[in-house]
Amino acid sequence: AQSVTQLGSHVSVSEGALVLLRCNYSSSVPPYLFWYVQYPNQGLQLLLKYTTGATLVKGINGFEAEFKKSETSFHLTKPSAHMSDAAEYFCAVAVPGGYSTLTFGKGTMLLVSP
Amino acid sequence: KAGVTQTPRYLIKTRGQQVTLSCSPISGHRSVSWYQQTPGQGLQFLFEYFSETQRNKGNFPGRFSGRQFSNSRSEMNVSTLELGDSALYLCASSTGPPNNEQFFGPGTRLTVL
Repeated sequence: AQSVTQLGSHVSVSEGALVLLRCNYSSSVPPYLFWYVQYPNQGLQLLLKYTTGATLVKGINGFEAEFKKSETSFHLTKPSAHMSDAAEYFCAVAVPGGYSTLTFGKGTMLLVSP
Repeated sequence: KAGVTQTPRYLIKTRGQQVTLSCSPISGHRSVSWYQQTPGQGLQFLFEYFSETQRNKGNFPGRFSGRQFSNSRSEMNVSTLELGDSALYLCASSTGPPNNEQFFGPGTRLTVL
């Protein structure tokens, strides 16, 4: 079974500051990992994913995440926050090659102040 | 390519009624998954269909059911609605294994009064 823990239900940053959203996972097999973003009254949009290969993954809108197997982590970062980054972010895990089922964390609301 | 579409976008029902939600996947995608999103429980997996067959099911009561048609469109049905069924229901489509990347629709907001 897989599980995901996102530390911090809310994270506040100032515009231009570093964004760091934390995600730790538990999986019985090497997982696929995803970060999704959700804007109000919308569905989920994929930011980036890790499947195999390079552990530093670059995504859309300047976000990146690093897969650290030893720490079972997949933290999301962005060097400089924009007001438009304010949204809810979800980390998710899936079993490679298996069902398409995603197991999500509880989400982290990112608040960006001017 | 058109994205995942869900209809209706908003729905208001009363307790005891039943409801059917529809999802049209991205063209060429054969896998459709459904998720329930609530403030308290977050995003929870309901079920997944692939080529008209239910491949996986989450931990929901039998009041929640679904099906997939030969054109990959999917419907989910909730019978005997309860207040706790109020949620955003999200549909996601993918090509299927080995690619687990899922593309989400905008969701259907169900309110049960």
